[in-house]
Amino acid sequence: EAQVTQNPRYLITVTGKKLTVTCSQNMNHEYMSWYRQDPGLGLRQIYYSMNVEVTDKGDVPEGYKVSRKEKRNFPLILESPSPNQTSLYFCASAPGGAETQYFGPGTRLLVL
Amino acid sequence: GQQVMQIPQYQHVQEGEDFTTYCNSSTTLSNIQWYKQRPGGHPVFLIQLVKSGEVKKQKRLTFQFGEAKKNSSLHITATQTTDVGTYFCAVMGSGGYQKVTFGTGTKLQVIP
Repeated sequence: EAQVTQNPRYLITVTGKKLTVTCSQNMNHEYMSWYRQDPGLGLRQIYYSMNVEVTDKGDVPEGYKVSRKEKRNFPLILESPSPNQTSLYFCASAPGGAETQYFGPGTRLLVL
Repeated sequence: GQQVMQIPQYQHVQEGEDFTTYCNSSTTLSNIQWYKQRPGGHPVFLIQLVKSGEVKKQKRLTFQFGEAKKNSSLHITATQTTDVGTYFCAVMGSGGYQKVTFGTGTKLQVIP
């Protein structure tokens, strides 16, 4: 089944403890992206990647890192999480450009 | 970066009534996409509009792209309870960049 998977789905952590949210797609998509969703603010793009080793900042990249070493994986790294990074995170992928994105199920993160 | 305004933020309708959400940009858009997110779910791609004045239909959903390519609308005829969710528009950065900006969404509630 064609899908985007994210792990973990739920995470509670404490300020400053490094964490990684994994994202994987099995559709051989070139484009991948991370978003955060907060009430009243919609979806905001954190980082995106056009292909392996090609990444670029979205609108809210501060406090996040990404890497694209393989086409299928696009992990999101929070080196030193803070409470303002408490949010619902979505990974997405698309076949070529960003026009038709397929979203993962989401990761709900709480930073205490 | 790219900005897009989406209105209204919320809409409650009686089942069977029509519903419309609008997205407006101050700049000319290359294209626009629409997504639907069911409560507790992830965004799902609905459609992309590319041409000036384009109108596309999906059953009871009608999507329009303005003549000046600065605005778009999604109209649902005779809403059903299955239409409940948040509808987002999404636009891409200018100059061929694959940065994506989502509207803040319109949350639709359908009263049976």
